[in-house]
Amino acid sequence: GIQVEQSPPDLILQEGANSTLRCNFSDSVNNLQWFHQNPWGQLINLFYIPSGTKQNGRLSATTVATERYSLLYISSSQTTDSGVYFCAVEAPNQAGTALIFGKGTTLSVSS
Amino acid sequence: DTGVSQNPRHKITKRGQNVTFRCDPISEHNRLYWYRQTLGQGPEFLTYFQNEAQLEKSRLLSDRFSAERPKGSFSTLEIQRTEQGDSAMYLCASSLGGRLLAGGLNEQFFGPGTRLTVL
Repeated sequence: GIQVEQSPPDLILQEGANSTLRCNFSDSVNNLQWFHQNPWGQLINLFYIPSGTKQNGRLSATTVATERYSLLYISSSQTTDSGVYFCAVEAPNQAGTALIFGKGTTLSVSS
Repeated sequence: DTGVSQNPRHKITKRGQNVTFRCDPISEHNRLYWYRQTLGQGPEFLTYFQNEAQLEKSRLLSDRFSAERPKGSFSTLEIQRTEQGDSAMYLCASSLGGRLLAGGLNEQFFGPGTRLTVL
């Protein structure tokens, strides 16, 4: 089945710094989503981005489908950005249209 | 739009007991998914419904697990004879999917999860 790899696994930043999180996937995808999981376990939708570039405030994402990777950019990080960021993909011909998740990037932002 | 809701939020049970979780999806969504997440891992797919039909089950879903979505709205996930290895966060998601949608848009939205602890 499709493999999803995220890097780095852990990231420690000072407030105000910028960061880039990467998601590599091993096959073509129908769907790619980025989520932020808060300390209570809630998965918050950040982007639905199977291809192209999107921006939402301090966050932006780019997916290059032909090269099988996606990037999540966080600018001017805040302590509330702390948590785990997941990339998840839905592959063609995959049973049940399920999302396959990477292991996540744990971000810690200190003031 | 009240989002996906799940109940209970926490469940502590003794090994061997049965537990049942409920998920209420976003009202117009026809697809409903169950995932399980253990510590330090991403969520893993368990099963999926389109309307009331259960269309796929993962190999993770042993015969002690059963899920239903009787009227195509809310869903329940039951675990019989719980084991300590069942301890995890159980997440429900819903989406508005289908071939009629241009581009195959199937963005999934997750509920807050039910955290199960089996003692």
